[in-house]
Amino acid sequence: NAGVMQNPRHLVRRRGQEARLRCSPMKGHSHVYWYRQLPEEGLKFMVYLQKENIIDESGMPKERFSAEFPKEGPSILRIQQVVRGDSAAYFCASSAAGQINSPLHFGNGTRLTVT
Amino acid sequence: QKEVEQNSGPLSVPEGAIASLNCTYSDRGSQSFFWYRQYSGKSPELIMSIYSNGDKEDGRFTAQLNKASQYVSLLIRDSQPSDSATYLCAVSFTGGGNKLTFGTGTQLKVEL
Repeated sequence: NAGVMQNPRHLVRRRGQEARLRCSPMKGHSHVYWYRQLPEEGLKFMVYLQKENIIDESGMPKERFSAEFPKEGPSILRIQQVVRGDSAAYFCASSAAGQINSPLHFGNGTRLTVT
Repeated sequence: QKEVEQNSGPLSVPEGAIASLNCTYSDRGSQSFFWYRQYSGKSPELIMSIYSNGDKEDGRFTAQLNKASQYVSLLIRDSQPSDSATYLCAVSFTGGGNKLTFGTGTQLKVEL
């Protein structure tokens, strides 16, 4: 039973390019969460999605960042015109339901480096 | 601003000792509490969840919750070098659905 799958594991982009990070939730999970972890810092919530819906995007920067979770296919976190400050580990997590007792299961993350 | 606070450490304990990790949170109405372990360069791994006051034991791990004091802790008995990692406290705040707010983590070092 595959866990949360994220790709790519490592992504290098030059300033001004676009970064696309993909996340496939665990089988049977329909809720996806994106978190960002800067070096030596904790996990910061970015966005919570269900299929075709953004439930909570309170942690998303207002510009350049967007997320989607289409009916078919993985969830995508898109960062346009990347800057050096976007360099971080981006983790996706999924849960079986949106209830508060459903634990989150994390993928291995995508390490984004902006040069 | 709803917050989760942890001492960043490092917390150093000798092998075989009890490691005690602490966490406080700001929202009295919070209902779900989790401890994750994160090895350097790896993803967070769920090790304990607790939802009601008191203790919950799972192997060498015990989670303790005191909602009146807004305090949750994790005890690791018979600490092993393989327990050396960063331990993240996570809280599901009222009205946040299943969104978790994480502390910055406590680095634990178990020394031979």
